[in-house]
Amino acid sequence: SAVISQKPSRDICQRGTSLTIQCQVDSQVTMMFWYRQQPGQSLTLIATANQGSEATYESGFVIDKFPISRPNLTFSTLTVSNMSPEDSSIYLCSVFGSQETQYFGPGTRLLVL
Amino acid sequence: GDSVTQMEGPVTLSEEAFLTINCTYTATGYPSLFWYVQYPGEGLQLLLKATKADDKGSNKGFEATYRKETTSFHLEKGSVQVSDSAVYFCALSRSGGSNYKLTFGKGTLLTVNP
Repeated sequence: SAVISQKPSRDICQRGTSLTIQCQVDSQVTMMFWYRQQPGQSLTLIATANQGSEATYESGFVIDKFPISRPNLTFSTLTVSNMSPEDSSIYLCSVFGSQETQYFGPGTRLLVL
Repeated sequence: GDSVTQMEGPVTLSEEAFLTINCTYTATGYPSLFWYVQYPGEGLQLLLKATKADDKGSNKGFEATYRKETTSFHLEKGSVQVSDSAVYFCALSRSGGSNYKLTFGKGTLLTVNP
């Protein structure tokens, strides 16, 4: 299994600002995924980030709102831009391990006031 | 498209009770099926998985069997503990090519009382 860390673990932000979330993996991986978990809801995939190419966004998510970087095979960032209270969620990154299993980071808990 | 439907919660049980959380899915082809658990204040952890029909995944006393005929993957445990209190998510993925997207159910909150 992969060991995944995220920074920050939580944050409280003001409306209209942006927050960049970092995801670090202890091994090289091709695909990294960013999910959102809104309060009391399930997880929704935001985008898939491959090293060396543009991220692929799911329906309802756009690059201007959630820009993603993937500079190398162990690291990725997700930025939540121009935040509103509706962006208050847990943001999780995940990677593929062996046998088609996805492993998740501990999540970043974001509250937007 | 793919979807996962799981039992609405919350579920409240006494310690040592039997647990069943129902999960059914809709997907084309032959998805892999997973149960993830989220303990309070933590991220998701893989609990168990099954990758083909009739496979049984098991871990920490939990079991689930991949039933293609009923498109189900129900989670069971014979005797729950207080430490099992968590949110449980059923999920599927369809592999092949670049399609590794995980589709999650809405989650079931389990509370186990001493």
